[in-house]
Amino acid sequence: DGGITQSPKYLFRKEGQNVTLSCEQNLNHDAMYWYRQDPGQGLRLIYYSQIVNDFQKGDIAEGYSVSREKKESFPLTVTSAQKNPTAFYLCATKGTSAIGSYNEQFFGPGTRLTVL
Amino acid sequence: EDQVTQSPEALRLQEGESSSLNCSYTVSGLRGLFWYRQDPGKGPEFLFTLYSAGEEKEKERLKATLTKKESFLHITAPKPEDSATYLCAVQAQGGGFKTIFGAGTRLFVKA
Repeated sequence: DGGITQSPKYLFRKEGQNVTLSCEQNLNHDAMYWYRQDPGQGLRLIYYSQIVNDFQKGDIAEGYSVSREKKESFPLTVTSAQKNPTAFYLCATKGTSAIGSYNEQFFGPGTRLTVL
Repeated sequence: EDQVTQSPEALRLQEGESSSLNCSYTVSGLRGLFWYRQDPGKGPEFLFTLYSAGEEKEKERLKATLTKKESFLHITAPKPEDSATYLCAVQAQGGGFKTIFGAGTRLFVKA
């Protein structure tokens, strides 16, 4: 069964605590993304990775970190430096066609993070 | 600056009442425009990709169209199960692998 899995579905963080959100895919896609979704706003890009062992900052990378050690996995760590982390976090992947990387992104089910 | 604006923010329809959602975009060069459906508490589900002005795509009661400045998502005879948030996104020339998303239109269809 192909797809993107994110875990956990719900996550609660205490002040000063780092937490890691998991994203796994078996679509054999090269590119992976992390977005943050807040009510009334468009998805905002946190980090993205086009290939294993390489990743780039998005528009709101401060307070977050990522790794890409395997093609299938792109975990996101929300550090204590992120002052307002309560949000819905979405992981996405994108394949590459013969005409280039103009393809749509596919999304996982999301993780809702709440700060206590 | 590349930008995507969706309108209206929310739309309430009676079952069977057809309407359209708008996505206006300002980009330096459009590589692709995407429509997604998102149900509450879930990830967006891909619907359509449009690449050039004049292009149209259909899926069941949904039809997406594209001009040089905007895209419309037409919903014909909607049913309550069409209730969701519809997201528009664009990939711009020079944007690398980044995609810009609009804030979405929340659609409510009443039986």
